[in-house]
Amino acid sequence: AQSVTQLDSQVPVFEEAPVELRCNYSSSVSVYLFWYVQYPNQGLQLLLKYLSGSTLVKGINGFEAEFNKSQTSFHLRKPSVHISDTAEYFCAVTTIKAAGNKLTFGGGTRVLVKP
Amino acid sequence: DSGVTQTPKHLITATGQRVTLRCSPRSGDLSVYWYQQSLDQGLQFLIQYYNGEERAKGNILERFSAQQFPDLHSELNLSSLELGDSALYFCASSPRQGGSQETQYFGPGTRLLVL
Repeated sequence: AQSVTQLDSQVPVFEEAPVELRCNYSSSVSVYLFWYVQYPNQGLQLLLKYLSGSTLVKGINGFEAEFNKSQTSFHLRKPSVHISDTAEYFCAVTTIKAAGNKLTFGGGTRVLVKP
Repeated sequence: DSGVTQTPKHLITATGQRVTLRCSPRSGDLSVYWYQQSLDQGLQFLIQYYNGEERAKGNILERFSAQQFPDLHSELNLSSLELGDSALYFCASSPRQGGSQETQYFGPGTRLLVL
């Protein structure tokens, strides 16, 4: 079985400052990795995903994430945040050879962008 | 707007009752997923259907059941409801067989409150 740990439950950050959200996973088999964002009172929206190839993945809204296999991490970064980035962010994994597509989510990180 | 619709948006019911949550996937999507989001358990995968057949199962209680109909909409049935079933229930869909590479598109959720 796989698991995901998001090390920070809340991250306050000032507008235009950089932000990094940390995600570590545990799995005995190879995984695909995802970051989703949940804005208040909405469903989840995919920010980016790592399937293979370059370990640096660029997503929507200026976000990027780096897959580090040796450290089993997939940290999310944005160089300059906006007020509109206030949301909850979820890291998720699924195993490559799974039957079906069961996403295992971390506990989420709430980002509060302050003016 | 992901294109996934869920009804109702809110549901308030009493312990012991039975409810049905409905999901319409994005046009053309063949796979449907159900997730539960609660404060104590976080986001958990419940079950996946592909073209009417169950494809993957997660931590779904025996009191819960789901199905996908020929028109590809899905229903999640929750029976003998308990206070702890209060949660946000998300439906998601993906285009094809629901392999682990596919992006899942989430609906806005149904918020269930059991009193």
